[in-house]
Amino acid sequence: EPEVTQTPSHQVTQMGQEVILRCVPISNHLYFYWYRQILGQKVEFLVSFYNNEISEKSEIFDDQFSVERPDGSNFTLKIRSTKLEDSAMYFCASSERTGGLETQYFGPGTRLLVL
Amino acid sequence: GNSVTQMEGPVTLSEEAFLTINCTYTATGYPSLFWYVQYPGEGLQLLLKATKADDKGSNKGFEATYRKETTSFHLEKGSVQVSDSAVYFCALRNSGYSTLTFGKGTMLLVSP
Repeated sequence: EPEVTQTPSHQVTQMGQEVILRCVPISNHLYFYWYRQILGQKVEFLVSFYNNEISEKSEIFDDQFSVERPDGSNFTLKIRSTKLEDSAMYFCASSERTGGLETQYFGPGTRLLVL
Repeated sequence: GNSVTQMEGPVTLSEEAFLTINCTYTATGYPSLFWYVQYPGEGLQLLLKATKADDKGSNKGFEATYRKETTSFHLEKGSVQVSDSAVYFCALRNSGYSTLTFGKGTMLLVSP
């Protein structure tokens, strides 16, 4: 069964460093998402992406964040200068369509720890 | 704005016990409602969904009914198994939008 994969599973970084979280969505999906969950808090939407453009983003997704689809398979989230409060589990998701009843398929997450 | 509130966990049950995980929501318009499950080491998986009032979603013995009058979508299962141990997330999505709004998640631990 096709699945969304994410690498790395865990990442430890120093405050101020750049990190890139990688995702491989399901191959025929066209819509891609990033969510995050700070420990003990809710899963929060960050951004959605379609046709090489951001289609929606939340207030959390400020200038330090960026997303990219560098090739036909990967979808990345870059955090330019990490802060302690960026420590969280980051989930990638993908779907065939959007705006209706489509299912978003989630990856296993990357746990990011900023020291 | 949208929000989802779930009961605090962990919920600890013995095998074959009855399960209820409460979920209430606040939303504009007429959202679709979802339950996702996360097994250890895996991603969030859609468990069931309901798109309008009084709809019942069901899957793998789990059920939830969309109650507009109480703005609730409680998850139930008549007889849990050890393999049901996981974290369960309630979520909503407004019509025409892709963004999912999640609750905090409720951990379920089932012992033999």
